[in-house]
Amino acid sequence: ETGVTQTPRHLVMGMTNKKSLKCEQHLGHNAMYWYKQSAKKPLELMFVYSLEERVENNSVPSRFSPECPNSSHLFLHLHTLQPEDSALYLCASSQERSGGTRYNEQFFGPGTRLTVL
Amino acid sequence: AQKVTQAQTEISVVEKEDVTLDCVYETRDTTYYLFWYKQPPSGELVFLIRRNSFDEQNEISGRYSWNFQKSTSSFNFTITASQVVDSAVYFCALSERPYNTDKLIFGTGTRLQVFP
Repeated sequence: ETGVTQTPRHLVMGMTNKKSLKCEQHLGHNAMYWYKQSAKKPLELMFVYSLEERVENNSVPSRFSPECPNSSHLFLHLHTLQPEDSALYLCASSQERSGGTRYNEQFFGPGTRLTVL
Repeated sequence: AQKVTQAQTEISVVEKEDVTLDCVYETRDTTYYLFWYKQPPSGELVFLIRRNSFDEQNEISGRYSWNFQKSTSSFNFTITASQVVDSAVYFCALSERPYNTDKLIFGTGTRLQVFP
């Protein structure tokens, strides 16, 4: 596997279900991101992990719970979602450096298309 | 506040036409980065270019070219001799940097359809 992979690619769930999205990066990066892409809205950054520590939480509802067990894996745990949470969820990774030259291209996975019934 | 505006929601062209995708940004930072990403139907965003705020040289890469104008806060993207494979949604993005990690602010995207 190369780049950033996401599973599952498609997910349909009821409002009472619990499910998890998985992201894995094979690029040796040290930062990972979750984005939400809804129709006709800009991509919304949800969470950022840098060196496995959460550094950004963009006022995301608690029904979304991220987990970053190591620098290569990122999960998004979902529970009691609402129909308006239906969207494409994109994972990305980048190599972050402190100070000096910024090196911040983010590489994206193919996304998980989530439908909440 | 940081903001990226892509006023063109959808553009349709016929193959071999040139097409320019507009991007206007707002930022109070003096140091920032601008990006273009392509999102084909498969879903993943593909990185195309990064430009920092101190480098106003235009860039050309094959059929792609970018025009960065700091005076008008614009970072436009031109595809020359478009092809059907160029059909995708294109996103312009701006980087701000809270903490030590970059945060990308995306525009709403421009859907480009190239017809044979």
